[in-house]
Amino acid sequence: DTEVTQTPKHLVMGMTNKKSLKCEQHMGHRAMYWYKQKAKKPPELMFVYSYEKLSINESVPSRFSPECPNSSLLNLHLHALQPEDSALYLCASSQDATASGSPLHFGNGTRLTVT
Amino acid sequence: AQTVTQSQPEMSVQEAETVTLSCTYDTSESDYYLFWYKQPPSRQMILVIRQEAYKQQNATENRFSVNFQKAAKSFSLKISDSQLGDAAMYFCAYRSATQGGSEKLVFGKGTKLTVNP
Repeated sequence: DTEVTQTPKHLVMGMTNKKSLKCEQHMGHRAMYWYKQKAKKPPELMFVYSYEKLSINESVPSRFSPECPNSSLLNLHLHALQPEDSALYLCASSQDATASGSPLHFGNGTRLTVT
Repeated sequence: AQTVTQSQPEMSVQEAETVTLSCTYDTSESDYYLFWYKQPPSRQMILVIRQEAYKQQNATENRFSVNFQKAAKSFSLKISDSQLGDAAMYFCAYRSATQGGSEKLVFGKGTKLTVNP
């Protein structure tokens, strides 16, 4: 069982749809992350939230909009996506996001298909 | 910028045998952490092992151990007594421990491990 829960597991959406990916952790971690992973590639960092504030935005297009309602929840709002945005979206958390070796704990991911 | 290189896109091992996955990295920092993550077909990235750069002793976790050579910037993973459940994609990763350093976890491209019965 994963300690980081992502919903939904699969999502198919059209290019005009608006949807949201959700992530939840109850380990008391103060840093949360969104990664995008294409097939047979390593995960690519999209956003980092540290103490509920956005600390890293890897120049991700504005059609991806993160939100951190509280320290346990992280959402990724999707709007007007393109077919090339189809990928596995991974959420992760760690004790903090400062220069520490606290490992990232990943969720099972959401497999997103944009049609 | 830091880079992580995994030179073996694919590896295979017989069940119960030992296999070593290679990882090299490039950094100008002296303080950092290294990780091996496993991603089976179930998709979840699972932490296998973690190494602090300031520790000379190689990390071990049950059947998993690393050979950390700081001067050579090498961080290989050894899996002993391989099991079918070890089949997965393995990613080597680097994270800065320098104050003001990047919060990013830098991944290698991965090595796909197949375990043959």
